[in-house]
Amino acid sequence: ETGVTQSPTHLIKTRGQQVTLRCSSQSGHNTVSWYQQALGQGPQFIFQYYREEENGRGNFPPRFSGLQFPNYSSELNVNALELDDSALYLCASSLKSGTSQNIQYFGAGTRLSVL
Amino acid sequence: KNQVEQSPQSLIILEGKNCTLQCNYTVSPFSNLRWYKQDTGRGPVSLTIMTFSENTKSNGRYTATLDADTKQSSLHITASQLSDSASYICVVSPARFNTDKLIFGTGTRLQVFP
Repeated sequence: ETGVTQSPTHLIKTRGQQVTLRCSSQSGHNTVSWYQQALGQGPQFIFQYYREEENGRGNFPPRFSGLQFPNYSSELNVNALELDDSALYLCASSLKSGTSQNIQYFGAGTRLSVL
Repeated sequence: KNQVEQSPQSLIILEGKNCTLQCNYTVSPFSNLRWYKQDTGRGPVSLTIMTFSENTKSNGRYTATLDADTKQSSLHITASQLSDSASYICVVSPARFNTDKLIFGTGTRLQVFP
């Protein structure tokens, strides 16, 4: 186990609704990254939070937003859900250090289905 | 165009056999290259991580190689086991200051049969 927990494990929403996904990072980690993984594809980087601020963003529209809390846990919010948002959403935590070799530890993901 | 391409897309081997998975990338400059293992319905787990100056890195029966000149990497699995059945994903970290953005390949789906 990686020590990274995500909730819920599965979620079903309808088009136009809003959803919040949650992630508890591994103890001692200060950085959380969110990824979207469509079926049969590799994960796509959504954004990263470091010390409660966004620290890099992928090619996702503004309706994808996030938060990181003082305890370094994080939320991913998606507004105005679209059918193509159906995917596995992965959260990864890491400890940002002076090097770039920060190993990211992934949670098991939240499977979101948009009907 | 995906910046990280993997081949083959899927692979079936018998237990005990060896196999090699390939990764070609165009990300440049890059900071490091990683191989992850992802079981069905689970998050990816890191196997190896190599900087651009490293040529090889081993983790038990897994050995990764890197040729930064040709922008190719491979993952060799020795004496495969049934538990090796999973997707293996090649991941490149661009050399950008202060961001750990990872670029994932689409993975190779490996199935090991008894």
